[in-house]
Amino acid sequence: DAGITQSPRHKVTETGTPVTLRCHQTENHRYMYWYRQDPGHGLRLIHYSYGVKDTDKGEVSDGYSVSRSKTEDFLLTLESATSSQTSVYFCAISDLGQGASEQYFGPGTRLTVT
Amino acid sequence: RKEVEQDPGPFNVPEGATVAFNCTYSNSASQSFFWYRQDCRKEPKLLMSVYSSGNEDGRFTAQLNRASQYISLLIRDSKLSDSATYLCAVNPRGGKLIFGQGTELSVKP
Repeated sequence: DAGITQSPRHKVTETGTPVTLRCHQTENHRYMYWYRQDPGHGLRLIHYSYGVKDTDKGEVSDGYSVSRSKTEDFLLTLESATSSQTSVYFCAISDLGQGASEQYFGPGTRLTVT
Repeated sequence: RKEVEQDPGPFNVPEGATVAFNCTYSNSASQSFFWYRQDCRKEPKLLMSVYSSGNEDGRFTAQLNRASQYISLLIRDSKLSDSATYLCAVNPRGGKLIFGQGTELSVKP
């Protein structure tokens, strides 16, 4: 299995609070991604990174920001959590970008916003 | 029309059956194709990449039909352990991976 960890694995938070999710990889892959998965919507890309300090928006980026200060770490921040952001969040990595190569996923973070 | 579509199922099949899933895509310039397996409350795991010539891995066969713009996954001799949701992923040219919503498979004794 690819060396990808996510923390926390579960979190319950209140509306309006900031939340940061962490993705850590040991594969030295250049590309990292944050997805959310919801019933009826499948996996949707939030943000992705193509290198240290290089990030771009995905399909559903509103309300989220990301940072990547090291190759191995990719952080997803919900500046002010809302109930619509209750979801399962997956981090993924790949060694080639633009969907050219397969992506490997972390174990996910279940976030509940009350 | 969605960029990537799958029949959500569920597909309920007996052990030993052969089952096939299709995944249609709208962008004819798509270049990369993958099948993932996702168990309940777990992360998606790569099952197979799909090559133009088709490829096989044990009981699993993946094929690409560019003319009709779909990929398929065939599972032979289904096992109870094959029960999962199968996601297809497609890369539109120059774009990110787009995932289908998944097809649920339930293999019964």
